[in-house]
Order: sequence, then structure tokens, then C-alpha cells
Amino acid sequence: EDQVTQSPEALRLQEGESSSLNCSYTVSGLRGLFWYRQDPGKGPEFLFTLYSAGEEKEKERLKATLTKKESFLHITAPKPEDSATYLCAVQAWTGANNLFFGTGTRLTVIP
Amino acid sequence: GAVVSQHPSRVICKSGTSVKIECRSLDFQATTMFWYRQFPKQSLMLMATSNEGSKATYEQGVEKDKFLINHASLTLSTLTVTSAHPEDSSFYICSARTPGQSYEQYFGPGTRLTVT
Repeated sequence: EDQVTQSPEALRLQEGESSSLNCSYTVSGLRGLFWYRQDPGKGPEFLFTLYSAGEEKEKERLKATLTKKESFLHITAPKPEDSATYLCAVQAWTGANNLFFGTGTRLTVIP
Repeated sequence: GAVVSQHPSRVICKSGTSVKIECRSLDFQATTMFWYRQFPKQSLMLMATSNEGSKATYEQGVEKDKFLINHASLTLSTLTVTSAHPEDSSFYICSARTPGQSYEQYFGPGTRLTVT
């Protein structure tokens, strides 16, 4: 059964304090791993898609990496506007084309 | 990037009435759209997969007669909550998958439904 576990559940950082969010997954054949950002009361905003182990992608202060068991979202020198819930989702080759989401990490960056 | 819109953003209705939510892909054609439901402080739960020109595929436990999905064109999918009850109050979010092999899904801003 596909499973996605995100840790920590919540993270408070001082502005400028770099850290990483973890997404551990179990899936029967990974088609893609997705990272989204969600602000309260809004739909998820697409950040990255990773397809194979060793792949890395960057966007501003965010960098996503992928291994065969987990993905990390590294946040470098975060700013208060980076505060949001970060969601990880996997898509398998078998079965439907839908995304299976983790429960997210709620990030708060304190000025 | 790909843009998905939803309308309305908020709706309040009385118990027993029906509500329609629209989801549009604004700058790309989406053969596949998805409908999710999200409860407070919980993650997204897939309700159904909508394919243009065919019947939607519902997830286990989702009542197809209660949540009617229509995907009549490559840019529009609708979700109708029929005979709504207070327990149907939730945040409904649609997504659309971009064409090609990227498998990327872009989400709408969501619709907050409150049934009184």
C-alpha cells in the first residue's frame, strides 16, 4: 500500500535559519514525487516534481532532493513569507493517475 | 505556469439544496481533472478522477449520486453536491493535469462550502 510520511509535523524557524523537511515514501513503482506549498484557505501551489533518485531541483530558497526512500525539501535562509504548509505527494506507475498526499509540514518563520 | 480557477470561492447553502462548483484550466487543455476534499488541518483526500468525455471514477466511500462530476470539455469540470447536508461542509479543491508526460497537477484555489 502506498504510504507517505512527512516530518516534522510543525517547524518553527528564525528568519535566516536554514533547515530541511522530510518526506518518506513507500510506493509500488514511483512515477513522480511532488512538492506543493499551501497557504491557509487556499489550494496547493506547485513547487517541484522529481522523477528519479539523485534528482535535484531548485527554486529561490528551496531545493528538493530525492532518494529511493525519501525526499528532502531544503530551505535556505528562510523569510517570513516562506511560512506555509508544505505537502509531499507521490504518484505510482500502477493504478490510477492520482497523487497520494502526506499530511504536510507546517512551517512558521519568525522575523 | 499552468493556472486553474474555481468558482465560487465560498458558498453557503441550506440543507437539502444542491450546489455546483466549477473548475477551469485557463491556459492549457486538461484531459484529466481531479476533485479533492480537505478537512481542517488535514491533508487532501481524493474524491474522484474526471476524464473529459467519460464518466468519473470515484474513490471508495465517495457517493457518486451525491457528488456528481461532469467533465464536458477539455477546460471545464464541475462538481455538484446534491441534497447537501451539514456534514458536506468542507473545503473542495480541484486540480488539472497538464498534457504530455510530466504528470504535473495544478490546483485551483479551492471552494469553501458551508451547509446550514
